[in-house]
Parts: sequence; structure tokens; C-alpha cells
Amino acid sequence: ELKVEQNPLFLSMQEGKNYTIYCNYSTTSDRLYWYRQDPGKSLESLFVLLSNGAVKQEGRLMASLDTKARLSTLHITAAVHDLSATYFCAVPSMDSNYQLIWGAGTKLIIKP
Amino acid sequence: DTAVSQTPKYLVTQMGNDKSIKCEQNLGHDTMYWYKQDSKKFLKIMFSYNNKELIINETVPNRFSPKSPDKAHLNLHINSLELGDSAVYFCASSQVLGLEQYFGPGTRLTVT
Repeated sequence: ELKVEQNPLFLSMQEGKNYTIYCNYSTTSDRLYWYRQDPGKSLESLFVLLSNGAVKQEGRLMASLDTKARLSTLHITAAVHDLSATYFCAVPSMDSNYQLIWGAGTKLIIKP
Repeated sequence: DTAVSQTPKYLVTQMGNDKSIKCEQNLGHDTMYWYKQDSKKFLKIMFSYNNKELIINETVPNRFSPKSPDKAHLNLHINSLELGDSAVYFCASSQVLGLEQYFGPGTRLTVT
């Protein structure tokens, strides 16, 4: 059974700092998704990582995927307050009809 | 033009009542989903519906039933509502199983 673990689950940081959120998964998958959720809002797709070594960047966020290590990272560079949100990773499960298995989410608070 | 829409946005009802939440997508996707997000933000897949095939998460009580009149709509009907059903329910769609999902705005259900 595929399990997806994110860490940390909660992160409070100052503006201008760099940090990384990790997403580990337990069984083979060739793709991974990152989503953002603002308080009281829906989930918005951030990155689609489709192969080993994939790297995507959007503004101050950069995501990468290592399928051999079963690890994805979401790196935040020079954080700004607007990036405060909850970030989820999700992995399709080949054992469960390719339904997405979700991490528990990382709540990121960036203090001005 | 909204890609995935849900109604209502808020639903307050009493225990024991029956209610429905409607979902529509205009993306031409083949697969639709219902998720439950609890107060700790954990996302739980309830159902996925792909080409008239329903995949049910075995932990979902049978008081919950999805109904799909056509490929663009997947409604959620809940019988005999309980306090523990209070949560935010998200509808989502994807082109096929395992691909990037697009989420609706969510329905906040409060059972009193």
C-alpha cells in the first residue's frame, strides 16, 4: 500500500529565508504532484513532475523529483509572506486504480 | 469560466437529514472525484468515477452515494447526516485516472 509522508507538517519562517519541504513515498511511482491550499480556499495545482530528475520552477518555488529515492522536494527561496499556505504532495497509486495518495500537508507560515 | 464548480458553497443542516452536493466540470475530463477534508486538513478520497465505473473507498459509509447523470456531473448524496460528517467536501476532475486533478471551490458542510 502506497504511503506518502511530508515533513515538516508545520513550518514557521521569516521572510527572506530559504527552506525545503520533503515528500517521501513508499512504492514505485513515475510522477508526483504538488498543490497549494490557501486558508478557506480550494487546492491549486503547482507542479506536475513526470519523470526521474524532473525539476520545475515557478517564482520562488522549485520542485524536484527523484523516483529512485522516492523523494520530492519543494524548495522555497527568499520566502515572502504571500507564500504562506498549506502545501500538499500527491502520488498516483498503481495498486489503487491510480488514485492519488495525498500527503498530510505542510502548513507554511512566513512572518514579515 | 469556472472549470470545476460545486453548489452549495455552505451547507448547514441538522443530524438525520439528507442532503446533496452538486458538482460540474467543463473541462471534458473523463474522471471525477469526491474528497473529504477534515479540520486537520487531511484529504481523504471518497469516490472516483471513471467512464461509468465507480471506485469506492472502502472506509466510506454507505450513507454516502455518488450519482453521475453524465460525464460532466458527479453529485454527492448523503443520507442520515451525522455530526462527524461535518467537513469540507471537494469535487475534482482529471483527464483520466492518475493525472493532474482540478478542484472545485469546496462545500463546507456543518451538521448540528
